[in-house]
Amino acid sequence: KQEVTQIPAALSVPEGENLVLNCSFTDSAIYNLQWFRQDPGKGLTSLLLIQSSQREQTSGRLNASLDKSSGRSTLYIAASQPGDSATYLCAVMDSSYKLIFGSGTRLLVRP
Amino acid sequence: EAQVTQNPRYLITVTGKKLTVTCSQNMNHEYMSWYRQDPGLGLRQIYYSMNVEVTDKGDVPEGYKVSRKEKRNFPLILESPSPNQTSLYFCASGTDYEETQYFGPGTRLLVL
Repeated sequence: KQEVTQIPAALSVPEGENLVLNCSFTDSAIYNLQWFRQDPGKGLTSLLLIQSSQREQTSGRLNASLDKSSGRSTLYIAASQPGDSATYLCAVMDSSYKLIFGSGTRLLVRP
Repeated sequence: EAQVTQNPRYLITVTGKKLTVTCSQNMNHEYMSWYRQDPGLGLRQIYYSMNVEVTDKGDVPEGYKVSRKEKRNFPLILESPSPNQTSLYFCASGTDYEETQYFGPGTRLLVL
């Protein structure tokens, strides 16, 4: 059964710092991996989607990488801002068409 | 505006009283799915649908039913709700399972 793990569970950094969030999954038979952002009490906003054949995707200050063979993905946030404070979730679409989520990393960017 | 809508957004009900949470998307997406989010357990998929009349169980389907009679709608049915179904529910849709999944705003359900 596919399992997705995210570390760290929580992270607090000063504004302007570059940071890396980690996601790992146990079964490499995935269609894609998606990173989401969730603000308190709100829905999920899609940040980046990486297809299984791709190695990375970039959007503005965000860069996500995927190493399917080792079951790992990272989300790199450059020059962090207080507005980046949220919970970041990664999810894999597994071989049985199910979207499996990690437990998230709660990020606080201090002014 | 392209969106996934859910209704109601908040619901308080009692044990055993059947309820339906509606989900609708206006993007002509084929793949739709339901999730529940619980503290300490994260987001877990309840059911998904690859297209009209094609549905399958996710990881936590017990106590739930779904139907997909039209492409745009994917209602979640709780025929006899119990307190352990108190949760935050999300609906999502995507062009298909290989593309970005877009989430609705969520429905907060309390079963007394």
